[in-house]
Amino acid sequence: DIQMTQSPSSLSASVGDRVTITCRASQSIGTSLNWYQQRPGKAPDLLIYEASILQSGVPSRFSGSGSGTDFTLAITSLQPEDFATYYCQQSYDYLTWTFGPGTKVEVK
Amino acid sequence: QITLKESGPMLVKPTQTLTLTCTFSGFSLSTSGVAVGWVRQPPGKALEWLGHIYSNNDIYYSLSLKSRLSISKDTSKNQVLLTMTDLDPVDTATYYCARRPPSNNLWGYDFWGQGLLVTVSS
Repeated sequence: DIQMTQSPSSLSASVGDRVTITCRASQSIGTSLNWYQQRPGKAPDLLIYEASILQSGVPSRFSGSGSGTDFTLAITSLQPEDFATYYCQQSYDYLTWTFGPGTKVEVK
Repeated sequence: QITLKESGPMLVKPTQTLTLTCTFSGFSLSTSGVAVGWVRQPPGKALEWLGHIYSNNDIYYSLSLKSRLSISKDTSKNQVLLTMTDLDPVDTATYYCARRPPSNNLWGYDFWGQGLLVTVSS
């Protein structure tokens, strides 16, 4: 299996801050990396696919970058509705997809 | 409008078999490239991919759970079934179904069900 790690596991931030979350794959996955946001009690929402393509309807303050093993999700000017948990997910291995352990963005 | 909804028992005893149904609308599982998948999330923990079934009947499973899982579809009813055998309390989780769209470069899930909390307890 391709293992995914995320850092940090949690972070505290304020409205208006810029936030970055890192996702690392245990082997090169090209750009086969997706990011999801999950608010408490809700299903995940797709934010970014193919490492950097913004899903339709997602605000432009979200952006993704990276390739190979290292990826970043950035949120510029954090909004109140952005306090949530973020997951990366690899789809390079078409036999088995895997999610990262998540990063919780909390209010400072 | 695309919707998915999970249904099934909310309480299951250890060693029993769980069968969940995902009923969807707004798309067809006969469209090339479409898949419906299952993801679970134990309370307070991370998402775990379980598997998915494509329109061409290709089925993929989590390697760690492969021996216990079965996914099937009824295209005419717009339903996908997940069967998990030999349940244990550690299988207590919210189970989600989700759609993989007919896309050349979106290999993820763009629409999700609301989830169903399944508790395994005697």
